[in-house]
Amino acid sequence: ELKVEQNPLFLSMQEGKNYTIYCNYSTTSDRLYWYRQDPGKSLESLFVLLSNGAVKQEGRLMASLDTKARLSTLHITAAVHDLSATYFCAVPSGNTGKLIFGQGTTLQVKP
Amino acid sequence: EAGVVQSPRYKIIEKKQPVAFWCNPISGHNTLYWYLQNLGQGPELLIRYENEEAVDDSQLPKDRFSAERLKGVDSTLKIQPAELGDSAVYLCACSKGTEAQETQYFGPGTRLLVL
Repeated sequence: ELKVEQNPLFLSMQEGKNYTIYCNYSTTSDRLYWYRQDPGKSLESLFVLLSNGAVKQEGRLMASLDTKARLSTLHITAAVHDLSATYFCAVPSGNTGKLIFGQGTTLQVKP
Repeated sequence: EAGVVQSPRYKIIEKKQPVAFWCNPISGHNTLYWYLQNLGQGPELLIRYENEEAVDDSQLPKDRFSAERLKGVDSTLKIQPAELGDSAVYLCACSKGTEAQETQYFGPGTRLLVL
């Protein structure tokens, strides 16, 4: 059974600092998704990583995928308050399209 | 293009009452998903439709939950009777095709509170 684990689950950081969120998964997959969720809102797709070594960047966020290590990272550079949200990684279960989500990492960026 | 539409956005009911949620996916998106999201957790799939066919309902508690997507577009998810533990956010999502790598687009969700 596929399990997806994120850490940390909660992250409080100062503006301007860098940090990394980790997403580990238990069975083979060559693709991974990152979503953002603001309080009371739905999930917004951030990145789709489709192969080993894939790296994608959008603004202050950069995501990477290592399929051999079954690990994805979401790196935050020079955090700003607007990045405060909960970030989820998700991995497809087999070829079904069913996504297995991590528990989410709640990021709080303090001025 | 318009996003995924869900209604109602909020619902408060007493236990043992029935409740229904409605979802209108993005036009042309043939695959539709219903997810359950408990507080502080990631979404969990309840059911997945490809057009009007339910292709994965293994996580749907069929004793009280039912879903339909009669014309392969809109979908409804029903709970009857609701229990206290059903309080959660019910998210609808869709994707264009049926391939596993298709990005899923989520609606705003229906927040259910069972008293």
